[in-house]
Amino acid sequence: KNQVEQSPQSLIILEGKNCTLQCNYTVSPFSNLRWYKQDTGRGPVSLTIMTFSENTKSNGRYTATLDADTKQSSLHITASQLSDSASYICVVSDSRAAGNKLTFGGGTRVLVKP
Amino acid sequence: EPEVTQTPSHQVTQMGQEVILRCVPISNHLYFYWYRQILGQKVEFLVSFYNNEISEKSEIFDDQFSVERPDGSNFTLKIRSTKLEDSAMYFCASRRGGGFYNEQFFGPGTRLTVL
Repeated sequence: KNQVEQSPQSLIILEGKNCTLQCNYTVSPFSNLRWYKQDTGRGPVSLTIMTFSENTKSNGRYTATLDADTKQSSLHITASQLSDSASYICVVSDSRAAGNKLTFGGGTRVLVKP
Repeated sequence: EPEVTQTPSHQVTQMGQEVILRCVPISNHLYFYWYRQILGQKVEFLVSFYNNEISEKSEIFDDQFSVERPDGSNFTLKIRSTKLEDSAMYFCASRRGGGFYNEQFFGPGTRLTVL
């Protein structure tokens, strides 16, 4: 069964600090991996998307990495801001679905404190 | 910037009643999806829809669920006889094309509460 696991479940960081979120997946065959940001009570918003041939991708202060061999990804947030407080969800698509069906991780809830 | 919209934002219903959740996808998108998120749990895929038919559905999407695109703009999810465990946030998403880099854009969700 395809699974996506994230760690930590939650973390608290001070404004201006960096943090790294982890994602491990067992989705096979692998197509692409996405990181989404979800504010409380809102729909997920895409941050990055990577295929198996990509090792890193940035979107402003967000940098995602992917190791397709170990089936791990990370999301690094640089110089955190209060508005970064949200859940960050790792989502993996298998190639059979051609981007159709997404398997979601449980998310990491980030709280940025002043 | 175009966005996916959903109505209502919150729906309260009695167990056994039928509900219809409505979505207006982004206008030039061709692929449509419904997901649900039970409070405190992961987002789960329900169904995908393309070319006026279901292209894939999960085991959650049983005979109690149906989807429809009744006109050129709306995409609906119907639950025929709601159960307590149907209480969740339901997200609609749409995507322009079938390529891997074509993003799914999510709506703000409808919170369904079944009493």
